[in-house]
Amino acid sequence: SAVISQKPSRDICQRGTSLTIQCQVDSQVTMMFWYRQQPGQSLTLIATANQGSEATYESGFVIDKFPISRPNLTFSTLTVSNMSPEDSSIYLCSVPRRGTDSYNEQFFGPGTRLTVL
Amino acid sequence: EDQVTQSPEALRLQEGESSSLNCSYTVSGLRGLFWYRQDPGKGPEFLFTLYSAGEEKEKERLKATLTKKESFLHITAPKPEDSATYLCAVHPFPGFQKLVFGTGTRLLVSP
Repeated sequence: SAVISQKPSRDICQRGTSLTIQCQVDSQVTMMFWYRQQPGQSLTLIATANQGSEATYESGFVIDKFPISRPNLTFSTLTVSNMSPEDSSIYLCSVPRRGTDSYNEQFFGPGTRLTVL
Repeated sequence: EDQVTQSPEALRLQEGESSSLNCSYTVSGLRGLFWYRQDPGKGPEFLFTLYSAGEEKEKERLKATLTKKESFLHITAPKPEDSATYLCAVHPFPGFQKLVFGTGTRLLVSP
């Protein structure tokens, strides 16, 4: 399985500011996924990030609020813009198992715990 | 609409007291069902993939089974280190669809 790291591991931010979360994978992957996990809720897919193309966002998530970069096959960033307390969540990146199709078995990073005051 | 429901929401066991967690799903078609373990403050850790009814997978004290409507995660003689949240997810078809996750079962095993 891939080794995935995320920075920062946690942060406390003020309302109206932005935070960029980094995700680094130890092997080249075509697709990376960004999820949100709100307290007591299931994981919700924010967007799928392919290297060399625009990210694909799920219903309810927009690029202006969650811009994503994917500059190469091992790295991606998710920015949470103009934050409000409702954005307080754990943000996770994941990659599929090597050799499987896009949405199959996924391996997750350790997550970024964001608190917005 | 594809849906995953996990029960119970929380489960407290004594060390050595075996039990089962349930994952019920409603999908038009199933490409795969996944079980994850999530410790507090960490990302989900992959445990099992099940593809067809009747399939079983085992790892240490855990055994996952699959029917056409639900999956069970059986925990035999649990230890305190098995305490975690266990998540279930389904990979629906047709087409290439995103995973649908349940809200998880919080398991606490007391010594």
